[in-house]
Amino acid sequence: ETGVTQSPTHLIKTRGQQVTLRCSSQSGHNTVSWYQQALGQGPQFIFQYYREEENGRGNFPPRFSGLQFPNYSSELNVNALELDDSALYLCASSLSVAETQYFGPGTRLLVL
Amino acid sequence: KNQVEQSPQSLIILEGKNCTLQCNYTVSPFSNLRWYKQDTGRGPVSLTIMTFSENTKSNGRYTATLDADTKQSSLHITASQLSDSASYICVVSPTDSWGKLQFGAGTQVVVTP
Repeated sequence: ETGVTQSPTHLIKTRGQQVTLRCSSQSGHNTVSWYQQALGQGPQFIFQYYREEENGRGNFPPRFSGLQFPNYSSELNVNALELDDSALYLCASSLSVAETQYFGPGTRLLVL
Repeated sequence: KNQVEQSPQSLIILEGKNCTLQCNYTVSPFSNLRWYKQDTGRGPVSLTIMTFSENTKSNGRYTATLDADTKQSSLHITASQLSDSASYICVVSPTDSWGKLQFGAGTQVVVTP
């Protein structure tokens, strides 16, 4: 186990709805990165948070937003869900920006 | 175009046999290259990490190699076990984009009895 936890483990939503996914980072880690992994594909970088500030963003629309709290846990919010948002969402925490990332088990989101 | 390409896409091997997975990348410059193992429905777990100046790194039955000149890496699995069945993902960390890891699509390995 990596010490990174995510909730919920599974989620079913319908198109147009909004969803919030949560991630608790490993103790001592101040950086959290979020990834979207479609079936049979590698993870795609969504964004990264370092000490509560966004530290970089991948090619995802603004309806994907995030937050990092003072205890370095993090949330990923997705508005106006689309069918293509169905995927495994992974978060990874690291000691700092350039350090090894430790992944959580992921949240599997299904949009109907 | 993906900057990290892996081959083969999938692989079936008999328990006890060896196999080698390939990773070709165009990310440059890069600070390190990692191989991750991802069990179905789980998060990736780091197997090896090599800086651009390292040629090889081992972790038990897993041995990774890196040729920075040809921009190729390989992961060799020795004496495969049923528990090795998983997706193996090559990940490159660009020097100019700290934390924005570039992932390959993975090689799905199935070990059969």
